[in-house]
Amino acid sequence: DTAVSQTPKYLVTQMGNDKSIKCEQNLGHDTMYWYKQDSKKFLKIMFSYNNKELIINETVPNRFSPKSPDKAHLNLHINSLELGDSAVYFCASSPRGPGTEAFFGQGTRLTVV
Amino acid sequence: EDKVVQSPLSLVVHEGDTVTLNCSYEVTNFRSLLWYKQEKKAPTFLFMLTSSGIEKKSGRLSSILDKKELFSILNITATQTGDSAVYLCAVGADRGSTLGRLYFGRGTQLTVWP
Repeated sequence: DTAVSQTPKYLVTQMGNDKSIKCEQNLGHDTMYWYKQDSKKFLKIMFSYNNKELIINETVPNRFSPKSPDKAHLNLHINSLELGDSAVYFCASSPRGPGTEAFFGQGTRLTVV
Repeated sequence: EDKVVQSPLSLVVHEGDTVTLNCSYEVTNFRSLLWYKQEKKAPTFLFMLTSSGIEKKSGRLSSILDKKELFSILNITATQTGDSAVYLCAVGADRGSTLGRLYFGRGTQLTVWP
């Protein structure tokens, strides 16, 4: 009965590869996000979708592309991975719309070697 | 520049102590201020505050917001070793160019010794 679930939990890959992280929420929330947490634990928003519509597209390289096939899913695809992409990526969702409390998935630790 | 500033960055106390964590912010189109606890994995939601002066409580944790002075505090009384974590403050915006954003502070690392 996991609320926000991400797969995989860990991802180790070589530079230059393309990878995807999947996220699903069964809470019925309309708003979903991708956050990046760096090695100093700083959480920064990357993207936000509200009712499948992209509402936040922060200044991230265009190698990162989100995709929301429906309100319950928000996937993140990353092309041409670089060493600096290593981080923990969190998916989250909000019940009351953008800018309110967000419930986080368990995170995907991405390591690029 | 940081829009949400937390202090102290780290805090070490003994079990039974009371701690106060601070969060100040400067975010346009303010909608809410949130507190999270992060242990090893995902941040877990503690409180959402939208109105000044109304204390929110959950067990030994409580929090209050001052929208005039743009800050919030999180109090933890009778601390336990299980309270050891990073406590994150976030501010949500609801319109304009800041629509939908949650701006996070860098967190306060709390360590509670037995």
